[in-house]
Order: sequence, then structure tokens, then C-alpha cells
Amino acid sequence: AQSVSQHNHHVILSEAASLELGCNYSYGGTVNLFWYVQYPGQHLQLLLKYFSGDPLVKGIKGFEAEFIKSKFSFNLRKPSVQWSDTAEYFCAVTPNSGYSTLTFGKGTMLLVSP
Amino acid sequence: DAGVIQSPRHEVTEMGQEVTLRCKPISGHDYLFWYRQTMMRGLELLIYFNNNVPIDDSGMPEDRFSAKMPNASFSTLKIQPSEPRDSAVYFCASSLGTSGRMSYEQYFGPGTRLTVT
Repeated sequence: AQSVSQHNHHVILSEAASLELGCNYSYGGTVNLFWYVQYPGQHLQLLLKYFSGDPLVKGIKGFEAEFIKSKFSFNLRKPSVQWSDTAEYFCAVTPNSGYSTLTFGKGTMLLVSP
Repeated sequence: DAGVIQSPRHEVTEMGQEVTLRCKPISGHDYLFWYRQTMMRGLELLIYFNNNVPIDDSGMPEDRFSAKMPNASFSTLKIQPSEPRDSAVYFCASSLGTSGRMSYEQYFGPGTRLTVT
């Protein structure tokens, strides 16, 4: 079975700082990868996804993530964070079979101070 | 579309009581998922349905938990009897299958925050 590891449980940044959140997965085959975001008091929303093709994917609100197959990683990045990016971020993975559900990491809480 | 609708948003109950959580998926979506979120365990899949049929309930913690989907627009998650360790946020999500396969884009509801005292 697949699993997802998010290395940082809490990250604190100042506005305009650059962000990189780590995500590693374990699975031997082809995968689909996702980042979801949960703003305070709100539900999870899809931030970006990788299915195939260009390993650098761009999502909403200036976020991007790079799939590095050799490292089993899918790190989330943003060059300059804003206070409104304060949220919890979840990495998720699923085998590319169409018959498996998402496996989520435990999340990283990002706090951006103004 | 109103998105995935869950009720109630907050539930406080005493140990031993029955709790019923409700979910209305996005119209036309044929997959429905129930998740539980806690600080210790993160986001866990409890059960999911395809076309109203339960497909995988291996994540349901124990027999005190049950879920039903009597039609395409409604699902319930019931805990009977409830215990303090059931305190968590319970999310419902739905997605649209493509060509009979699961689509991985899941749309989440706002969640129900359950507190069992």
C-alpha cells in the first residue's frame, strides 16, 4: 500500500518569504499526486495535481510543485508567500489505476506573519 | 452548484449517545467518501461508495460505525454508541468517475466537528 510523508508539521514564515513544503511518497508503480489546502475553518480544496507529462505543475494562487520520480518527492513551492496563504497543506497520492483512493499525508500547518 | 453539503457543522454529545452525520454530494457525482481528521492520525478514509454501493469500508474503526447511501444524493455516517475518542472532524467528499474509473479530484464538504464528552 502507498503512504505519504510530510516532513514538517508546522512552518512559520514572514510575508514575502519563499516556501517549500516537502512531500515524499512510497509506492513502486506509477502514481498521481496532489496538493490540497485547507484554510482556517474551511474545507479542503485542490491546489494542484500531477497525472503525467511535465513534472513541474502550476496550481492556483501562484503555487507550483515538482515531481521528482527518482526521489519519490512532490514538493510544493511558492516564491513569495502572503498572509492569506496561512492554511494547512496536504499532500496526497494514489496509484495510477483508476481504482484506488487517495492517501493523504498528515498535513503541514503554514503560518505566515504579516 | 452548492458543493458538498454536510450537517450538522458542529455536534456535541455525551458518551453512549447515537450520532448521525449527513452528507449531500455534488449532483452527478458517483463517488462519495467519508473521512475522519484528527491531530494524531491526520486525514483517514473511513469508507467510500460508488453508485450508492459501499466499495471499501476497511477504514471504519469498528462496528460502532456504520454508513449508508440510500440514494445518489444522500449519505449518513452513524456512530452508536459514541465514545470520547470519536471526537474529530468528519469530512464527506464526492467525485465524478470517468469511463467507469475513479476520478481523483475530490470535492470536500465543510466537515462536521464532533465532540463526545
